[in-house]
Amino acid sequence: QVQLQESGPGLVKPSETLSLTCNVSGGSISSADSYWSWIRQPPGKGLEWIGYIYNSGSTYFNPSLKSRVSISADTSKNHFSLKMSSVTAADTAVYYCARIGDFAYFHHWGLGTLVTVSS
Amino acid sequence: EIVLTQSPATLSLSPGERATLSCGASQSVGSNFLAWYQQKPGLAPRLLIYHASTRATGIPDRFSGSGSGTDFTLTISRLEPGDSAVYYCQQYGRSPLYSFGQGTHLQIK
Repeated sequence: QVQLQESGPGLVKPSETLSLTCNVSGGSISSADSYWSWIRQPPGKGLEWIGYIYNSGSTYFNPSLKSRVSISADTSKNHFSLKMSSVTAADTAVYYCARIGDFAYFHHWGLGTLVTVSS
Repeated sequence: EIVLTQSPATLSLSPGERATLSCGASQSVGSNFLAWYQQKPGLAPRLLIYHASTRATGIPDRFSGSGSGTDFTLTISRLEPGDSAVYYCQQYGRSPLYSFGQGTHLQIK
């Protein structure tokens, strides 16, 4: 059973870069046709897909965030990472990493980590 | 950009009753790439249904999905207190590639 665990700072200052890592166990992020994604949820609100990485290097992003986001993978550590630049208070959210199955659905989720953007 | 609209926003029912949750899409969802998730407070969402009507691993048969094109339904029969949660629909394929509805809050009285 694949398990995912997010880690990273819980507080980021406005205009700085948010950086999170998702550690994966029970499966390899370099497996063929493995898609690994980030999703966020502002407090009390709905879910927003951020982007994914597959085959350890190819990426695809939500157009609304594309200019500020990057996702990378480290196969030696079996983890993938999110960077989001120029954050504002609107980026305050619980950030989830997830594994995409059947290229269309989020089958496995991490527990989530709250990131607050504040000075 | 595709928009998923869920109704009702809130639903309050008693144990043993049946819940019917709707998800309407502003454009046709190709190949029925539509999923349903359950999210309880403080927890990550859990996949319930995918491909509009296929139950995910370990999901009881009280949960069923139906629909096609722009109209989809999640039905929960024989409601239990543990079914209290927010339920989200999610589509794949239209821009943005993945998107979610705003959620339906289901309360079991």
